[in-house]
Amino acid sequence: QLVESGGGLVQPGRSLRLSCAGSGLTYYEHAIHWVRQRPGKGLEWVAGYLRDGERVGYADSVKGRFIISRDNARNSLYLQMNSLRPEDTALYYCGKDLRPGDLFFWGQGTLVTVSS
Amino acid sequence: DAVMTQSPLSLPVTLGQPASISCRSSQSLVYSDGNTYLNWFQQRPGQSPRHLIYEVSKRDSGVPDRFSGSGSGTYFTLKISRVEAEDVGVYFCMQGTHWPYTFGQGTKLEIK
Repeated sequence: QLVESGGGLVQPGRSLRLSCAGSGLTYYEHAIHWVRQRPGKGLEWVAGYLRDGERVGYADSVKGRFIISRDNARNSLYLQMNSLRPEDTALYYCGKDLRPGDLFFWGQGTLVTVSS
Repeated sequence: DAVMTQSPLSLPVTLGQPASISCRSSQSLVYSDGNTYLNWFQQRPGQSPRHLIYEVSKRDSGVPDRFSGSGSGTYFTLKISRVEAEDVGVYFCMQGTHWPYTFGQGTKLEIK
């Protein structure tokens, strides 16, 4: 149901925009998120929209550098990543809740590698 | 932020034997609506996470009944009554009560 794209190899300090396409991404009754997983590591919530569809939040590690947005007409979610650092290297998943407080639907992820 | 701490981080289990993973939160996960938004996920090698349990103890459709969740407040447990080979993977807890959502470090279950 969710398909991420836009990952790739990028130099430190550069930008990249990730996209996530799928049904239900424009419905304001669902919270939608970006979650990342560094190689061989655990899951880290990165950014998301609350269920009201308006309020957004960011992890401290990306605040001021990443921007989450959505395009209702295209049923899409985006993550604009600026000033990328090597520690941003990870598999980035988009996710959507089914019920309040869960994260039921996941994409397959898109890999971002930040390296010179 | 609510810090989620799992233990153990590595869990070798004999096939057919039970397994238990704990997850502790630095804050109460009881939301203002009275619900507790504590989730469990399974991530098999090379796959995206799969949602297993929501609101502490409610299994998603299709999740085998050998998986069960329990707990309250700040302490939660995922139990597998009889481990099968397909249960190998990493298990994560995640709280959806406080913004931002936060995950535990993950527990790697392997067959002994």
